[in-house]
Amino acid sequence: QKEVEQNSGPLSVPEGAIASLNCTYSDRGSQSFFWYRQYSGKSPELIMSIYSNGDKEDGRFTAQLNKASQYVSLLIRDSQPSDSATYLCAVHSYSTLTFGKGTMLLVSP
Amino acid sequence: EAEVAQSPRYKITEKSQAVAFWCDPISGHATLYWYRQILGQGPELLVQFQDESVVDDSQLPKDRFSAERLKGVDSTLKIQPAELGDSAMYLCASSSYITQDNEQFFGPGTRLTVL
Repeated sequence: QKEVEQNSGPLSVPEGAIASLNCTYSDRGSQSFFWYRQYSGKSPELIMSIYSNGDKEDGRFTAQLNKASQYVSLLIRDSQPSDSATYLCAVHSYSTLTFGKGTMLLVSP
Repeated sequence: EAEVAQSPRYKITEKSQAVAFWCDPISGHATLYWYRQILGQGPELLVQFQDESVVDDSQLPKDRFSAERLKGVDSTLKIQPAELGDSAMYLCASSSYITQDNEQFFGPGTRLTVL
């Protein structure tokens, strides 16, 4: 059974702070890792993908992957109230994408 | 900008009725997925198509759910009869096998309420 674990939150940060979202996964054969943002009542939106160990930066977002520890994280710098949403971690292995339950992020002005 | 299209956006039905959802993937995307998302949970795969063929339907409740993608483009997901526990968001996603990225892009979803 492939599992993807996330803290459900909510994670509360003030505007301008760094938000750190974490995810662990059980399948060592996993090859691709994704972060989706989901606003309330909307569908998931892909914001980051990462495939190899290390960091990947895209604007205010940085994804970090450590396959040895089976751990992937998302950092959001200069958090804005518009970043308030649920962030879903998704792990791909053997043609299947498995999602965590998501972490709710609240950014207060 | 290329998007996954879904309809209807909202559906309210009574239990034991039949419902159907439609999805049109991003043009050129050969792989199409149907997911179900219950409030507070992550999306769970129901069925995956590669062109017109089913690749994975292991989590599809086949006694009441069916899915088809006859010409390998758009797809229909049907529930008959609907049960109260089927109330959820039904999401369609697509990806391209041309790249190795396995990135999936979601449509706006269909919110189903079964009364």
